[in-house]
Amino acid sequence: EPEVTQTPSHQVTQMGQEVILRCVPISNHLYFYWYRQILGQKVEFLVSFYNNEISEKSEIFDDQFSVERPDGSNFTLKIRSTKLEDSAMYFCASSPRTSFDEQFFGPGTRLTVL
Amino acid sequence: DAKTTQPTSMDCAEGRAANLPCNHSTISGNEYVYWYRQIHSQGPQYIIHGLKNNETNEMASLIITEDRKSSTLILPHATLRDTAVYYCIVRAGGNEKLTFGTGTRLTIIP
Repeated sequence: EPEVTQTPSHQVTQMGQEVILRCVPISNHLYFYWYRQILGQKVEFLVSFYNNEISEKSEIFDDQFSVERPDGSNFTLKIRSTKLEDSAMYFCASSPRTSFDEQFFGPGTRLTVL
Repeated sequence: DAKTTQPTSMDCAEGRAANLPCNHSTISGNEYVYWYRQIHSQGPQYIIHGLKNNETNEMASLIITEDRKSSTLILPHATLRDTAVYYCIVRAGGNEKLTFGTGTRLTIIP
């Protein structure tokens, strides 16, 4: 069964450093998402991406964040200058044809900012 | 999107049906009810969704009341692997994001 994959599974970085989290969505899916979950808190929407552009973003997704689909398979989330409060699990998701379709989530990348 | 209310936690005996309620009294006509679950700190997993008719798939059944103000997710024969946090999410047409609440922590008891 196809699945969303994410790398790395765990990333440790120093405050102020740039990180890139990588995701490979399910092939032929058209909608892509990033969510995050701070330890013990709710899963929060960050951004959605369709047709090579951001379709929606949350207040969390400020100028420090960017997303890119550099080729036909990868979908990346970049945090330009990490802060301690960026420490969280970051989940990538994709959905097939429309925004109504179910979203398939990856296993997540645990980001720890020291 | 309409707000949902779920019990904080529930227990269910292994092999029994788990019935998870959700209240969404302010739901509007174009909003769907989705259920996801999250096992440990894994990525959320889609379970089922519906608009107004009852739905069933290989994982669960979704019963939506006629006035659509509440719904129940039914796991027919719960196993230990069904222990997870279950999220009821109401999502408007054209709204791509999923807004997660705190969900119901379901514990399956051996």
